[in-house]
Amino acid sequence: SQTIHQWPATLVQPVGSPLSLECTVEGTSNPNLYWYRQAAGRGLQLLFYSVGIGQISSEVPQNLSASRPQDRQFILSSKKLLLSDSGFYLCACRQGRFGLAGTQETQYFGPGTRLLVL
Amino acid sequence: DQQVKQNSPSLSVQEGRISILNCDYTNSMFDYFLWYKKYPAEGPTFLISISSIKDKNEDGRFTVFLNKSAKHLSLHIVPSQPGDSAVYFCAASAVRNKLIFGTGTRLQVFP
Repeated sequence: SQTIHQWPATLVQPVGSPLSLECTVEGTSNPNLYWYRQAAGRGLQLLFYSVGIGQISSEVPQNLSASRPQDRQFILSSKKLLLSDSGFYLCACRQGRFGLAGTQETQYFGPGTRLLVL
Repeated sequence: DQQVKQNSPSLSVQEGRISILNCDYTNSMFDYFLWYKKYPAEGPTFLISISSIKDKNEDGRFTVFLNKSAKHLSLHIVPSQPGDSAVYFCAASAVRNKLIFGTGTRLQVFP
């Protein structure tokens, strides 16, 4: 089974500073990778997903960008953070090109990064 | 437009009793549904799922029921345990590569 690593676990950044959050996956190849954000008291909002190296789909217009330089690495970035970027950022993985029979779109999540922009 | 709705933000249940968490959806194209459990400051953990060709799926203490005509699914936890206290998210899929999540229900199981 896959293991998803995220770092840092916690980050406090000033407004206007850059951001780089990293997600790496072990135990699977050709995964679909996802970035979600959970704002305080709200559900999970899909920000970006990637079906392969260099392939990024953006779900919502925003101050953030994503990149996938390697098969099992997914990076979330910003050039200038806003206060509204604060939240809990989650990386998720779906195994393979398509899920195993019966598992379909099941996604598995990393431990998350808590970002506080001051 | 919230396609997946969890209308109860919180639920409190006594230990040993049944917990029932509800989820409603609007998109009739959803064909796969999932429940996740989330503790504070941790990533969600996959619990159980159900395909739209079924109306029930059971895994230990967890059972998910799907009522397609009502566009409603529910998660039953029997018996409830204090360790079940967490936020539960339902999610649905209609398009490959994407899950749509509800806003979550906070379950508290008290002794």
